[in-house]
Amino acid sequence: EAEVAQSPRYKITEKSQAVAFWCDPISGHATLYWYRQILGQGPELLVQFQDESVVDDSQLPKDRFSAERLKGVDSTLKIQPAELGDSAMYLCASSLEGPTAQYFGPGTRLTVL
Amino acid sequence: GDSVTQMEGPVTLSEEAFLTINCTYTATGYPSLFWYVQYPGEGLQLLLKATKADDKGSNKGFEATYRKETTSFHLEKGSVQVSDSAVYFCALSHNSPSGGYQKVTFGTGTKLQVIP
Repeated sequence: EAEVAQSPRYKITEKSQAVAFWCDPISGHATLYWYRQILGQGPELLVQFQDESVVDDSQLPKDRFSAERLKGVDSTLKIQPAELGDSAMYLCASSLEGPTAQYFGPGTRLTVL
Repeated sequence: GDSVTQMEGPVTLSEEAFLTINCTYTATGYPSLFWYVQYPGEGLQLLLKATKADDKGSNKGFEATYRKETTSFHLEKGSVQVSDSAVYFCALSHNSPSGGYQKVTFGTGTKLQVIP
């Protein structure tokens, strides 16, 4: 069964450092999402791609966060510099076009010290 | 804008008890509705979905019916097991204001604990 891959699974960093997360969606899925999930809360959308284009980044803190999906396949989310409040689970998901379900990866748990 | 409201948890039930987790939504038109489940330390998994009014989604003994008149999508299971202990998220998918893509909105999640 096809899955969404994410790496690393865990990341510990010090504040002011740069971190990067990688996501490989299910083959053929045009839509890719990055979410942040703080413990005890629901996923918060950071950025949504349709193929290689950003269609929604309204909740992305653009002063420190960036995301790219250069060839419309895998994607990278970067934080620079990391802050203590960035500690969370970062989830990647993908879906086919249209009102279909999302498939989530296992997530990357970020701890900022 | 769109929103999803879930009952607050945690919900604690004994094994074989009946489960209901309430979910209501606010959206214009006809969104698609979903329930996702998140087991400890894992990502979210789709549990069930419904794409139009009066549709019933079902999976693994769980059911939810899309009620347009009450804007609800309550999750039910007749007899819960310890293995059902997880966090359950209600979500909707709807056309963005620009109409260019589907926008997804999640509820805050309801933690279910099932005790033997």
